Amino acid sequence: AQSVTQPDIHITVSEGASLELRCNYSYGATPYLFWYVQSPGQGLQLLLKYFSGDTLVQGIKGFEAEFKRSQSSFNLRKPSVHWSDAAEYFCAVGSSMEYGNKLVFGAGTILRVKS
Amino acid sequence: NAGVTQTPKFQVLKTGQSMTLQCAQDMNHEYMSWYRQDPGMGLRLIHYSVGAGITDQGEVPNGYNVSRSTTEDFPLRLLSAAPSQTSVYFCASRGGPNTGELFFGEGSRLTVL
Repeated sequence: AQSVTQPDIHITVSEGASLELRCNYSYGATPYLFWYVQSPGQGLQLLLKYFSGDTLVQGIKGFEAEFKRSQSSFNLRKPSVHWSDAAEYFCAVGSSMEYGNKLVFGAGTILRVKS
Repeated sequence: NAGVTQTPKFQVLKTGQSMTLQCAQDMNHEYMSWYRQDPGMGLRLIHYSVGAGITDQGEVPNGYNVSRSTTEDFPLRLLSAAPSQTSVYFCASRGGPNTGELFFGEGSRLTVL
């Protein structure tokens, strides 16, 4: 069964600084990987996804993530953080895109941005 | 664009009471699912459906029932609420295969006393 670990529960960065959120997954075959963001009181919104191909994936709001098979990682990055990026971020892994796919989420990382 | 709509947004129940969380989507998505979100545990899949008349269990199905009579609606029923079911519940839908993206409702916060 697949699983996802987000090692950092909370991260605080200064506005304008770079950001990296860590995600490690466990799955035997090629995973399908996602990053979602949740603003307070809201549902989750997809930032980006990796299915295959180029291991560096671009997403919305200036985010990118890199799939590293050798490290079983899919870390999320942003070169310059804005105050509006403060939210909770979830990494997720899926086993296939067929119907019945059971997406497994990590526990989340809360990002705080200080001015 | 309504997307995924959940009602109610907030609910307080007493132990043993029953209730239904409603979920409706207007995107003609075949796949719908229910997750619960608890602090430090991320989102856990309760039940899901791949089309009208078809449902299946997720990771934490005990204490919850679902049905899917139409493509649009996927209600979640708690037959006898327990304090352990205090949580935030999210309904999500997805388009066809190979899209991957789940579209989430805004959540329903349930407290069981």
